[in-house]
Amino acid sequence: GQQVMQIPQYQHVQEGEDFTTYCNSSTTLSNIQWYKQRPGGHPVFLIQLVKSGEVKKQKRLTFQFGEAKKNSSLHITATQTTDVGTYFCAGRISGYSTLTFGKGTMLLVSP
Amino acid sequence: ETGVTQTPRHLVMGMTNKKSLKCEQHLGHNAMYWYKQSAKKPLELMFVYSLEERVENNSVPSRFSPECPNSSHLFLHLHTLQPEDSALYLCASSQLAGAETQYFGPGTRLLVL
Repeated sequence: GQQVMQIPQYQHVQEGEDFTTYCNSSTTLSNIQWYKQRPGGHPVFLIQLVKSGEVKKQKRLTFQFGEAKKNSSLHITATQTTDVGTYFCAGRISGYSTLTFGKGTMLLVSP
Repeated sequence: ETGVTQTPRHLVMGMTNKKSLKCEQHLGHNAMYWYKQSAKKPLELMFVYSLEERVENNSVPSRFSPECPNSSHLFLHLHTLQPEDSALYLCASSQLAGAETQYFGPGTRLLVL
């Protein structure tokens, strides 16, 4: 079936380093959402991007939606230990009625 | 915290048991979802209910039986499960079915022995 691919699966950084996770689809996405799941927790909505080329910022987090609406990225500047968790992208693939989630990128931040 | 509650939070059951998971949302949403989250797989959408009607069933085995008596409550009835069904079962809701922002409950961690 249709998939939303996410890379990397896992990343371990030192506190203060930057981090980026990428989300790719072979087909056009109507929108892209990003969620964060803390260890032992549940996914929590972060943001939604709808427009081609859209860029949104939340403090140290920058979200981008590609021009072709087939890819997206989440960049964290100067990571902190509170950023630890798994970041999921979820997109609505054209022709499908619900969101398709990526496998997620697990981020570990060492102090 | 998110307006979506799930009970129980943890469940251990044998393969011959029958149990039910409960989800309740206090957000006034019209759509509710069941997801399965296993260790090495992405979030797997199981069922979608919109205005109490099932609108999506993603080839889920019949040993999982959903029930949505009203727009605020969603159940997942379990019977004769397999060990590979052990996972975190997450309930979510959204204003409308589709690509709306989803609000997740804390999940039920299920272990099937």
